[in-house]
Amino acid sequence: AQKVTQAQTEISVVEKEDVTLDCVYETRDTTYYLFWYKQPPSGELVFLIRRNSFDEQNEISGRYSWNFQKSTSSFNFTITASQVVDSAVYFCALSGPRAAGNKLTFGGGTRVLVKP
Amino acid sequence: SAVISQKPSRDICQRGTSLTIQCQVDSQVTMMFWYRQQPGQSLTLIATANQGSEATYESGFVIDKFPISRPNLTFSTLTVSNMSPEDSSIYLCSVTTGGSNQPQHFGDGTRLSIL
Repeated sequence: AQKVTQAQTEISVVEKEDVTLDCVYETRDTTYYLFWYKQPPSGELVFLIRRNSFDEQNEISGRYSWNFQKSTSSFNFTITASQVVDSAVYFCALSGPRAAGNKLTFGGGTRVLVKP
Repeated sequence: SAVISQKPSRDICQRGTSLTIQCQVDSQVTMMFWYRQQPGQSLTLIATANQGSEATYESGFVIDKFPISRPNLTFSTLTVSNMSPEDSSIYLCSVTTGGSNQPQHFGDGTRLSIL
């Protein structure tokens, strides 16, 4: 069975501070895919990034960066120089190979509050 | 990515009634899913909507309570039957156009409150 754990339920920062969201996953699949989604107060779920289990290259995209470490089963997400608009709930998610039906397993989410 | 329209966006319903939620995509998609997000909680997969056949339900969800239709590659409905206050949640439809390495894209959700 797959499992995703986001230990941080809520993080509060002041604008311009960096914030890192932790995600730890469990899976028996050798091929799997990891995702981060953002859910702002308006409620829609916005896709941010996808990582394949065989691609451990970390990435920076603007103020966002991701740190995927297969050895520790972690897929952490950092927002640099946070802004008020970053206030949202962030979900880490995991899917297995196609044979498993493309199903996503979500973590519990981390609520980020950025104060001006 | 595909544009996903979900209707209604919100509703307030009476106990014991049923509501059908529609999910329309502007292009053909491989897979469609229905999720439930209870207040302050994460997303839980209800079922995979299969085109032209019965949906595949996850543990804890049954067809009598959540009947799903998917008549074609761009449209699906989820009905929440015989509603109780415990069914108050956000219901989201998602789609993917490829394999499990492709992200699922979500509709804006239906906020459902049961009195």
